[in-house]
Amino acid sequence: DAKTTQPNSMESNEEEPVHLPCNHSTISGTDYIHWYRQLPSQGPEYVIHGLTSNVNNRMASLAIAEDRKSSTLILHRATLRDAAVYYCILRDVGQGNLIFGKGTKLSVKP
Amino acid sequence: DTGVSQNPRHKITKRGQNVTFRCDPISEHNRLYWYRQTLGQGPEFLTYFQNEAQLEKSRLLSDRFSAERPKGSFSTLEIQRTEQGDSAMYLCASRPTGATTEAFFGQGTRLTVV
Repeated sequence: DAKTTQPNSMESNEEEPVHLPCNHSTISGTDYIHWYRQLPSQGPEYVIHGLTSNVNNRMASLAIAEDRKSSTLILHRATLRDAAVYYCILRDVGQGNLIFGKGTKLSVKP
Repeated sequence: DTGVSQNPRHKITKRGQNVTFRCDPISEHNRLYWYRQTLGQGPEFLTYFQNEAQLEKSRLLSDRFSAERPKGSFSTLEIQRTEQGDSAMYLCASRPTGATTEAFFGQGTRLTVV
């Protein structure tokens, strides 16, 4: 499975933007980049995914480097509810499962 | 549909006992996954089903673990002769078939083996 590297933890202030980086230098052409997050005492929840182009949805934006070896999840205005562990995952188009790493624990300060 | 449902939410059992967990996926999601998560770690993949067929099993799924999805709807995960190392959160997820469809996770079953 292709690997991802994320910082163990990050801090943000409430209502400020947050940029969560992910490195995936061994990404293959058929790997999609998925982001999930896990709030305390909850199961993971989907955030966003992309292949090559930047993506936006109501939760976040995903910026993908031109060489696809890294990506950044952008939360435009962090809220206290965004405090969670964020997982960056590569999933091949033909692969069934998601392989999680340790993720980045995001803390949001009021 | 209220999402993926897992029961029980919490289970305390004595070492050596058998336990069974149930997962009810979102209707019409033909893929169902089981994960295990210990404190401070990301979820670890255990196994997944496409309808009633078990397509992949992790090496983590020892002989004491068995999973079924008899009619392609709900699934059960059984652990026989539980050990203290089995204490963890067991998560179930489901999604429709498709290269990029998102997975929906349940809230998990927390198992404590004493």
